[in-house]
Amino acid sequence: AQTVTQSQPEMSVQEAETVTLSCTYDTSESDYYLFWYKQPPSRQMILVIRQEAYKQQNATENRFSVNFQKAAKSFSLKISDSQLGDAAMYFCAYGDNYGQNFVFGPGTRLSVLP
Amino acid sequence: DAGVIQSPRHEVTEMGQEVTLRCKPISGHNSLFWYRQTMMRGLELLIYFNNNVPIDDSGMPEDRFSAKMPNASFSTLKIQPSEPRDSAVYFCASSPAPGPNEKLFFGSGTQLSVL
Repeated sequence: AQTVTQSQPEMSVQEAETVTLSCTYDTSESDYYLFWYKQPPSRQMILVIRQEAYKQQNATENRFSVNFQKAAKSFSLKISDSQLGDAAMYFCAYGDNYGQNFVFGPGTRLSVLP
Repeated sequence: DAGVIQSPRHEVTEMGQEVTLRCKPISGHNSLFWYRQTMMRGLELLIYFNNNVPIDDSGMPEDRFSAKMPNASFSTLKIQPSEPRDSAVYFCASSPAPGPNEKLFFGSGTQLSVL
């Protein structure tokens, strides 16, 4: 079964600085999808960024970008110019190409310090 | 669009009681998912519907849990009888595509406490 590992239970960053959250996954598939979801204190999960494994170009969404290393099975999230509103739990997730296996990692709690 | 709507937001009940959680997906979305979130186990998929048909219910913990989707705009997750270990946040999510690989739109969850 696919697994998703987030080795950093907690991270902190100074406002306006850059932080990188780590994610590794295990799969034998060649085509799949990777995601970062944000869960703020309001509890509602929000998609931050999505990557299709067959695309070599790293996905970006404004201040959020990923470093996708397919061979290393690594999918880290970089948040630039961190803002107080970025404080949340961040979950890395994997989905296989068939939509059959979709797994969330354990999450990283990000604090943003003023 | 109002987003995915879940009710109630909080539910406190006593062991042995029946609990029903409700979800209204975003109009036009084909897929609906029920997740459970706990500190110990993280986010777990309980069941997934596509076009109102249950596709994968392998995550449903046991027979005490049941889910229905009688139409495209409504789903319920029922626990009968409830137990303290069922205490968790239950999320409903919908997606415009079959499966979770597009964007999942989550509701705000139901915090269930079983005493």
